[in-house]
Amino acid sequence: NAGVTQTPKFRILKIGQSMTLQCTQDMNHNYMYWYRQDPGMGLKLIYYSVGAGITDKGEVPNGYNVSRSTTEDFPLRLELAAPSQTSVYFCASRYGGTSGSSYNEQFFGPGTRLTVL
Amino acid sequence: GIQVEQSPPDLILQEGANSTLRCNFSDSVNNLQWFHQNPWGQLINLFYIPSGTKQNGRLSATTVATERYSLLYISSSQTTDSGVYFCAVGIKAAGNKLTFGGGTRVLVKP
Repeated sequence: NAGVTQTPKFRILKIGQSMTLQCTQDMNHNYMYWYRQDPGMGLKLIYYSVGAGITDKGEVPNGYNVSRSTTEDFPLRLELAAPSQTSVYFCASRYGGTSGSSYNEQFFGPGTRLTVL
Repeated sequence: GIQVEQSPPDLILQEGANSTLRCNFSDSVNNLQWFHQNPWGQLINLFYIPSGTKQNGRLSATTVATERYSLLYISSSQTTDSGVYFCAVGIKAAGNKLTFGGGTRVLVKP
């Protein structure tokens, strides 16, 4: 299994541009998450999904949109990029079942480093 | 929401030394994970430990859920242990979304 993969690894955007960060997992996990990490800080939750077609806001959703049309993919859309969205973005997933020793454990992708100038 | 505090914020170790990192949280949790973020930014899962004790090589962790804290032990530290260690917790009522602490930045000197 490749686990959680994210593309691109790096991106520079100009203010006002839009882009989509891609996230794919091949572990058949139900739950998927998007976090952002600002320099020197811990991660904060942007959006999450409990399954295909179901998404919900996290702690810092403003300026972002998500969709979940398949179990595997959970893209994050940035509309009208702003300098405040300069950050490292992490996608994560977990099984979400009701049994197993670590069914709550989240697994993270390698991150996308985004700079908005 | 739940609060997660990690201490110390920074730690400088000589290679071979032992250390203990602490994570305090403000509510009952059903998920607690320790991560190591290496200098390249990758988040590496160390332990899934909502309660009890686990060991993996030179690392071990203990969570005392009733007292709302977890400890991460690093023994015989190596320069490759450098990076930031995060504790993150999740509660069932919040869909097990993870709340991260501020991290402990560890530097191991040769």
